[in-house]
Amino acid sequence: GQSLEQPSEVTAVEGAIVQINCTYQTSGFYGLSWYQQHDGGAPTFLSYNALDGLEETGRFSSFLSRSDSYGYLLLQELQMKDSASYFCAEGTGANNLFFGTGTRLTVIP
Amino acid sequence: DTGVSQDPRHKITKRGQNVTFRCDPISEHNRLYWYRQTLGQGPEFLTYFQNEAQLEKSRLLSDRFSAERPKGSFSTLEIQRTEQGDSAMYLCASRTQGSTEAFFGQGTRLTVV
Repeated sequence: GQSLEQPSEVTAVEGAIVQINCTYQTSGFYGLSWYQQHDGGAPTFLSYNALDGLEETGRFSSFLSRSDSYGYLLLQELQMKDSASYFCAEGTGANNLFFGTGTRLTVIP
Repeated sequence: DTGVSQDPRHKITKRGQNVTFRCDPISEHNRLYWYRQTLGQGPEFLTYFQNEAQLEKSRLLSDRFSAERPKGSFSTLEIQRTEQGDSAMYLCASRTQGSTEAFFGQGTRLTVV
C-alpha cells in the first residue's frame, strides 16, 4: 500500500522561506506531486517531480530524492495568500494518485 | 473554475437514505477519480476510471458505495443506506493519461443527519 507522511502544521512569517517535507512508502513509485488547497476550495496542482532533483516554478520549488523516499516543497517570499493546506501525492501516468496527510501552512505578518 | 463540475454542491440527507452525486470532467480527460475528504485530512482515494472502465477501487470502500462512468464522460457516485460516518466532502478529479496534473471539482459536501 501507499503512505505519505507530512508535518501536520507549519507557521512562517510573511516574506520568509518555508519547507514542507514529505516521506513516502509506496509499491511502484512513479513520481511526487504537490497540491495546494485553500479552506473551502478544491486542491490545485503546484508541481511534479519524476526524477531526483529540484524543480522550480516561480516562488515554489519541489525536490525529490528517490533513494531516500523523500521530497519537499519550498515556498519562497511567503505571502499571506499562501496560507493553505499543502499535500504531496504519489503516482501519475499509468498509476493512481494517492495523497499525503497534508500540512496546514499559516503565514503570519 | 477548473472545468470539472460536481453536482450538487451540498447535500443533507437522513441516515439510511440513498444519495447520488454527479461529476462532469474536462471533456478530453479519460481518467476520472473520486476522493473523500474529511476536515483536516488529505483526499482519500475511493475509485478511478479510465474511460468507462473502473480500474481500481479502494479496499476501504464498502459495498454501499458504487460508481459508474457509463459512456466514459460523466460519472456518478452512489451511496446506499447512508451512515453518519459518510459525512464528508466528495471530490472528483480528472486528467489525461500520462499527464502530471489532475484537475479537481469543487466537491459535494454530504451531511448525514
